[in-house]
Amino acid sequence: GESVGLHLPTLSVQEGDNSIINCAYSNSASDYFIWYKQESGKGPQFIIDIRSNMDKRQGQRVTVLLNKTVKHLSLQIAATQPGDSAVYFCAENIRGGGSQGNLIFGKGTKLSVKP
Amino acid sequence: GAGVSQSPSNKVTEKGKDVELRCDPISGHTALYWYRQRLGQGLEFLIYFQGNSAPDKSGLPSDRFSAERTGESVSTLTIQRTQQEDSAVYLCASSKRAGGVNTQYFGPGTRLTVL
Repeated sequence: GESVGLHLPTLSVQEGDNSIINCAYSNSASDYFIWYKQESGKGPQFIIDIRSNMDKRQGQRVTVLLNKTVKHLSLQIAATQPGDSAVYFCAENIRGGGSQGNLIFGKGTKLSVKP
Repeated sequence: GAGVSQSPSNKVTEKGKDVELRCDPISGHTALYWYRQRLGQGLEFLIYFQGNSAPDKSGLPSDRFSAERTGESVSTLTIQRTQQEDSAVYLCASSKRAGGVNTQYFGPGTRLTVL
């Protein structure tokens, strides 16, 4: 699920399977992380967040895992549905802010759910 | 409550013309952000406003781009002498404040097409 180059990587899953989208963040001073979902033609929508003093947080069908040792964040979607098809972005907040306001966005991963 | 709204939703213009894009943030949000998103790509930070502080313009790609915000309300992004490479979706987001643990909430975007 890492983003490289100019085009978004794509993750294809079968409907009903679990999806895992990965994100590597850059700054060890980051203290807050968010996952956004962007459906075609729409703005990004907040899904779930996690603070750096946690390593796991669960929502409805989604779980975010944080591994600060390797600066890795993942989003797990249980029982993936066609409506989950979208581009998923991770974002990190660097303590003390800085340029770009308070969040630095990853480049995104496109999730495609096959019926 | 109302979310972030943007207008117009779509804008088609001719090369060399000026365009103005509008963003209405969530009421009470002191921080406002503009991003550009080219087709199939991630979010490119342009500028953010925090209250009455000087805006962070570090992401503006050229002096053809400018933005204004009146107090803690509406913002306008202006692109002068548009070029074809300006074609993109322009997203606006707002948050309670910049810095710290703050979620940005996005509008639906304005799709700009420069012919």
